[in-house]
Amino acid sequence: DQQVKQNSPSLSVQEGRISILNCDYTNSMFDYFLWYKKYPAEGPTFLISISSIKDKNEDGRFTVFLNKSAKHLSLHIVPSQPGDSAVYFCAASRLGSSYKLIFGSGTRLLVRP
Amino acid sequence: DTAVSQTPKYLVTQMGNDKSIKCEQNLGHDTMYWYKQDSKKFLKIMFSYNNKELIINETVPNRFSPKSPDKAHLNLHINSLELGDSAVYFCASSQGEWGSPLHFGNGTRLTVT
Repeated sequence: DQQVKQNSPSLSVQEGRISILNCDYTNSMFDYFLWYKKYPAEGPTFLISISSIKDKNEDGRFTVFLNKSAKHLSLHIVPSQPGDSAVYFCAASRLGSSYKLIFGSGTRLLVRP
Repeated sequence: DTAVSQTPKYLVTQMGNDKSIKCEQNLGHDTMYWYKQDSKKFLKIMFSYNNKELIINETVPNRFSPKSPDKAHLNLHINSLELGDSAVYFCASSQGEWGSPLHFGNGTRLTVT
């Protein structure tokens, strides 16, 4: 039962262009979403998050958009840089008695110089 | 200065053996986690401890036993290893408050032969 889905296993973009990574979720109770970035042989590192009371959150070159009615969020990276090449994981959680993140399967981004 | 460190990085062992993975965090966080990344690349939560108390225990075989001697350490002991236990295991920590991001270690790749 995949509650968080990243349907694109990979994405390739040219340096300087926009990268758009997508994530869908099925559980309408989710109310907090995070993006993590992972390099090979390292653990995931936190990138950006968004609460369900917002529809957009921006941090430098990274912007996350949330469409609650569509149960969809996206991560925009602009401009993309070769150092952004990594696997990006979407994660979701819901307010409750315990705090746990449900992760998608990741999208591998390659930014070509 | 490593924030979340886990050892060993690689672990190759035979079926039926018992092994342990250690995790330590120096971030002063109250909550620690074990996640498993399976062959389909999903990161799935296994356990979570808050101040040495077990707060999340997902559907994990009894062969897996976490132990938290203090809030900076969360070790994972696995008995009678099976082929299906082969995966990458990630330790993580957080403040435990809803919405606080998880900080991950670099993972332990377990291979059971």
